Amino acid sequence: QTVVTQEPSFSVSPGGTVTLTCGLSSGSVSTSYYPSWYQQTPGQAPRTLIYSTNTRSSGVPDRFSGSILGNKAALTITGAQADDESDYYCVLYMGSGRWVFGGGTKLTVL
Amino acid sequence: QLQLQESGPGLVKPSETLSLPCTVSGGSISSSTYYWGWIRQPPGKGLEWIGSIYYSGSTYYNPSLESRVTISVDTSKNQFSLKLSSVTAADTAVYYCVSFLRGTYYMDVWGKGTTVTVSS
Repeated sequence: QTVVTQEPSFSVSPGGTVTLTCGLSSGSVSTSYYPSWYQQTPGQAPRTLIYSTNTRSSGVPDRFSGSILGNKAALTITGAQADDESDYYCVLYMGSGRWVFGGGTKLTVL
Repeated sequence: QLQLQESGPGLVKPSETLSLPCTVSGGSISSSTYYWGWIRQPPGKGLEWIGSIYYSGSTYYNPSLESRVTISVDTSKNQFSLKLSSVTAADTAVYYCVSFLRGTYYMDVWGKGTTVTVSS
């Protein structure tokens, strides 16, 4: 059973930089997993932020960026703002039409 | 611009079958430009991929749900649908329909979601 791992919670100061990661319980995340990232605020549907590791979705500010760091996918927020306080989910494409979400990271901006 | 809208009963009894259509607007369900999927989120928990259907008609399901899930397309209504049989309280969740662009590997457009409660 493949498990995708994310930090359960993270905090960042306004204006600060934070990097959230997305790993695998066994093995390394590479671009071949096409990691994508989604932002969700309470009561709302998720919003697509980043796809194919590092491509920003339309309308997403450039303070959001994606990469591979070591053996994980990463989402970096540079110059965090109060309205970045949200849940962030990564999802990996496992091949054969199958997807697995990470458990999500609750980001606090304070 | 593609838009998706889930609909269906908010309450389903245990052991029954949950049926949810997703209506597509701004694009054709028959187009090879897209493929379609369902995601769910139990209260207070994370997102879970349920399954996807490709323009070829091929379907792929989460192994943990595969024995109970069917995703299909209705071209006459420009809809795709989720059926989940033998539901229990653990199937209580917000259900989202999503679209993917052909040749890409991410959930491009999300519906607003519909809440389904399993209770007698």
